[in-house]
Amino acid sequence: KAGVTQTPRYLIKTRGQQVTLSCSPISGHRSVSWYQQTPGQGLQFLFEYFSETQRNKGNFPGRFSGRQFSNSRSEMNVSTLELGDSALYLCASSFGTGDYEQYFGPGTRLTVT
Amino acid sequence: DAKTTQPPSMDCAEGRAANLPCNHSTISGNEYVYWYRQIHSQGPQYIIHGLKNNETNEMASLIITEDRKSSTLILPHATLRDTAVYYCIVRVARIRNDMRFGAGTRLTVKP
Repeated sequence: KAGVTQTPRYLIKTRGQQVTLSCSPISGHRSVSWYQQTPGQGLQFLFEYFSETQRNKGNFPGRFSGRQFSNSRSEMNVSTLELGDSALYLCASSFGTGDYEQYFGPGTRLTVT
Repeated sequence: DAKTTQPPSMDCAEGRAANLPCNHSTISGNEYVYWYRQIHSQGPQYIIHGLKNNETNEMASLIITEDRKSSTLILPHATLRDTAVYYCIVRVARIRNDMRFGAGTRLTVKP
């Protein structure tokens, strides 16, 4: 079956702009989690959505937001971009909420200049 | 979450079994052992998980000691494509999705 897909794969934005990233989970999976990965901080949890509701949230500022649609697809938005937001943004899907058997997409590499 | 300890790096010859150890001496009774790997510039990949019994799937085998204080991930016939950082995580299942990786073991498979 098809894996997790993320679009776009690469993005270059300037400070102050906003960006929307998209994630399509594995068919049948209802939970989508978002992570930020940087060389310095490693993998950091942003939030999890299940059945269109945010279930858990990490320690990120309110500039980071997300949503999930009825077909389980999810988007995350980052407003007022800062240089420190440059990272690999990963989406992971799982069957249920809180499920640690997660399947990751290839990521979106965001560069903020 | 229980703390895990893994060697920082290991080498393995192509075609041989790769045995990656993980210590989790403070594991509690309801915590599972999960293994993930991350190949350079790709998203992490789920490998396997277990509670107390040994587990096997198409990718690997997981051997958990009887006291559950350590485990070993076995890749039976390592290939060059198995070169990656391998992460052992101990978590209670189905509580939160907020995965966190430690430093992991960098496995290099050599021809």
